Amino acid sequence: DTEVTQTPKHLVMGMTNKKSLKCEQHMGHRAMYWYKQKAKKPPELMFVYSYEKLSINESVPSRFSPECPNSSLLNLHLHALQPEDSALYLCASSRLSGAYNEQFFGPGTRLTVL
Amino acid sequence: GDSVTQMEGPVTLSEEAFLTINCTYTATGYPSLFWYVQYPGEGLQLLLKATKADDKGSNKGFEATYRKETTSFHLEKGSVQVSDSAVYFCALTIIQGAQKLVFGQGTRLTINP
Repeated sequence: DTEVTQTPKHLVMGMTNKKSLKCEQHMGHRAMYWYKQKAKKPPELMFVYSYEKLSINESVPSRFSPECPNSSLLNLHLHALQPEDSALYLCASSRLSGAYNEQFFGPGTRLTVL
Repeated sequence: GDSVTQMEGPVTLSEEAFLTINCTYTATGYPSLFWYVQYPGEGLQLLLKATKADDKGSNKGFEATYRKETTSFHLEKGSVQVSDSAVYFCALTIIQGAQKLVFGQGTRLTINP
């Protein structure tokens, strides 16, 4: 299995809602990543987990809260988002967090904040 | 800091044309280099990679060679197809506490039949 899955595929939420994005991989990877991608731009790194511990937070606002319950699963909890947070949210994983290891990306969750 | 510069797009070619998308990088140390492709409405897929100087990555007819002397990793394909229409990202990895991918701005490629 060389796939990263993400649910839901699309999400529409109001600014007062709480929702969660889910990412799963069964490749035995020990590093997992969240990215945000706006239209016609490259992905921007948000968070990195290595061995289920948060190792990078790229100064992301606290309305985004990541969680890594186990080595296969990564969640992104959303609360009180702004319309400018509308974007494609991509999850990725890699074997280890080393320079040689390519990242495998999921299909993304397209988020719209009303 | 570390960065990647890609040729500006969009690029439009006819089917069976030769493709080159230029990519140059600035990095301390010896990064690994990658090309990712993003088809409309999808996530990124790894197209090819190279981990050291003079390595050639290849996949699906695409090739790129890690050139340390010119700090380049240009993507080439001899004969493009309509199905190659996508956005292509050049990227390098750096280690800052954990692995980080540094992306170029992306090049949108359209192939006309």
